[in-house]
Amino acid sequence: EDQVTQSPEALRLQEGESSSLNCSYTVSGLRGLFWYRQDPGKGPEFLFTLYSAGEEKEKERLKATLTKKESFLHITAPKPEDSATYLCAVQASGAGSYQLTFGKGTKLSVIP
Amino acid sequence: DAGVIQSPRHEVTEMGQEVTLRCKPISGHDYLFWYRQTMMRGLELLIYFNNNVPIDDSGMPEDRFSAKMPNASFSTLKIQPSEPRDSAVYFCASSTPRTVRIQYFGAGTRLSVL
Repeated sequence: EDQVTQSPEALRLQEGESSSLNCSYTVSGLRGLFWYRQDPGKGPEFLFTLYSAGEEKEKERLKATLTKKESFLHITAPKPEDSATYLCAVQASGAGSYQLTFGKGTKLSVIP
Repeated sequence: DAGVIQSPRHEVTEMGQEVTLRCKPISGHDYLFWYRQTMMRGLELLIYFNNNVPIDDSGMPEDRFSAKMPNASFSTLKIQPSEPRDSAVYFCASSTPRTVRIQYFGAGTRLSVL
């Protein structure tokens, strides 16, 4: 069974204080690892997809990296508008298997 | 495009009543997913469709839950009879086969069963 564990559950940062969120996963074969952002009262919003170990992707202050067992979401010099819950999900390889298995998320609060 | 549209945004009902949640996927998307989100269990896949056909309903918790997709632009998730433990936020998501890995979510329906 595919499993995704995110840590920490919650993280409070001062504006400008860089940090990283962790996503550990077990999957029979990885087709892709996904990062989503979720704001209160809204649906998850797609950020990144990573497909193979060593891959990195960046978007503004966010950078996602992938190893064979985990992914990190690095946040550089965060701003209050980066406050949200960040969700990690995996998609297993295999014919017709397009479902995502999500972690429970990390709630990030950036204090001005 | 308006994105994935869900209705209603909020639903409050009493135990035993029938509840119907609605979803309009993004035009051209032929995969549709229904999820449930709770604090305890996070985001869980309930069922998904490809070209209006249910592919995997193994996440549907009980026979009280059913989902249909009568055409490419509309899907429903029905709970009958509803129970307090069904209280959660229900999300619909859609994706295309070309970018099937990227799912686009609606704003969700917050269901409260009293």
